[in-house]
Amino acid sequence: AQKITQTQPGMFVQEKEAVTLDCTYDTSDPSYGLFWYKQPSSGEMIFLIYQGSYDQQNATEGRYSLNFQKARKSANLVISASQLGDSAMYFCAMRGIYTGTASKLTFGTGTRLQVTL
Amino acid sequence: KAGVTQTPRYLIKTRGQQVTLSCSPISGHRSVSWYQQTPGQGLQFLFEYFSETQRNKGNFPGRFSGRQFSNSRSEMNVSTLELGDSALYLCASSQGLQKQETQYFGPGTRLLVL
Repeated sequence: AQKITQTQPGMFVQEKEAVTLDCTYDTSDPSYGLFWYKQPSSGEMIFLIYQGSYDQQNATEGRYSLNFQKARKSANLVISASQLGDSAMYFCAMRGIYTGTASKLTFGTGTRLQVTL
Repeated sequence: KAGVTQTPRYLIKTRGQQVTLSCSPISGHRSVSWYQQTPGQGLQFLFEYFSETQRNKGNFPGRFSGRQFSNSRSEMNVSTLELGDSALYLCASSQGLQKQETQYFGPGTRLLVL
């Protein structure tokens, strides 16, 4: 079984500052992928960043970076230079490779980020 | 490329009725997955279709069913609606060939059951 834990229900950050959203996971899969999605109030899930369990380097996509610590089973999302448009729910998700449900994403409960002036 | 589209965007139904939701994947994507999102249960996987076949299924009752057409468009059907079926239903598409590929989501269909 796979489990994602996001312990921060809500976060506030000032515009132009960096913020870290926490994500820890648990899985018995030897190989897996970790994803972060953003969900604005409109409802659409927007893909942000992906990290494979065997990737040597932390993933980066523009202002988004993933702080991957495999031994600690954590995959924190770092948003640099926050913008007002970053206000949304953020979900951490994972998917294994060798289990029968490899196509299924397991999501955390999400963190609501509010960017303030 | 156009993104994933879902129709309708909003639906209001009454208990006991049935509903059909539609999802058109990104061009070239052959895998479509469906998820239910509720405030209480969060995001839960319903099922995945690939090349017109159900490839994976989540833990939902048989009232929830789906299908996929030869053009990869997918429909999800819920029969005998219950109040607890009120949710945002999201579909996601991917090529379906590699297990670590990203799933891209549509805007969702908000279903309200009265």
